[in-house]
Amino acid sequence: SQQGEEDPQALSIQEGENATMNCSYKTSINNLQWYRQNSGRGLVHLILIRSNEREKHSGRLRVTLDTSKKSSSLLITASRAADTASYFCATDTAGTYKYIFGTGTRLKVLA
Amino acid sequence: ETGVTQSPTHLIKTRGQQVTLRCSSQSGHNTVSWYQQALGQGPQFIFQYYREEENGRGNFPPRFSGLQFPNYSSELNVNALELDDSALYLCASSLVVSKNEQFFGPGTRLTVL
Repeated sequence: SQQGEEDPQALSIQEGENATMNCSYKTSINNLQWYRQNSGRGLVHLILIRSNEREKHSGRLRVTLDTSKKSSSLLITASRAADTASYFCATDTAGTYKYIFGTGTRLKVLA
Repeated sequence: ETGVTQSPTHLIKTRGQQVTLRCSSQSGHNTVSWYQQALGQGPQFIFQYYREEENGRGNFPPRFSGLQFPNYSSELNVNALELDDSALYLCASSLVVSKNEQFFGPGTRLTVL
């Protein structure tokens, strides 16, 4: 079963607006990563946040991590049509070797 | 571009056949993981190889097997193909097991008829 669960499943916004996606997971983690996938192609790594970090920024991306709630959020500011894609969170359970992906949020940015 | 390449890009096979998918890791990466992604789903972990040894496995039957070579390139083999094996197969390389970010290849789209 998938550990990460993204919310919402789908999101449609206007260009220039902010997009927020949430991810919840079930067990202790070493780190959490966010990926983007365009239309059934390979995944592009966006950002990694470690379990001892609370917030991280990269360009228009802001990721937060709340280990007490076992949740993370990805904020994309000033969205562009090119941000249209599926976004996945992936967690590696502490003490193991594998990353578990959620089912993703499908983001559509309308020009 | 992540530096991770996969071949072939697309593949069509018939139920019962065998298939080999290939992955070339990013330079210097000694860990490779394979994932299966069904349409509309997130990637599912198949297994991981570290320095040519299987380092862990997900919930996939033994007909899914793999190899990692001394140059850290990798193969995924699937025997006795089933219709449900139709999916995008992704490999990802990383430098240190479970500690660093994974870099994904573009995937191989397998269709089983």
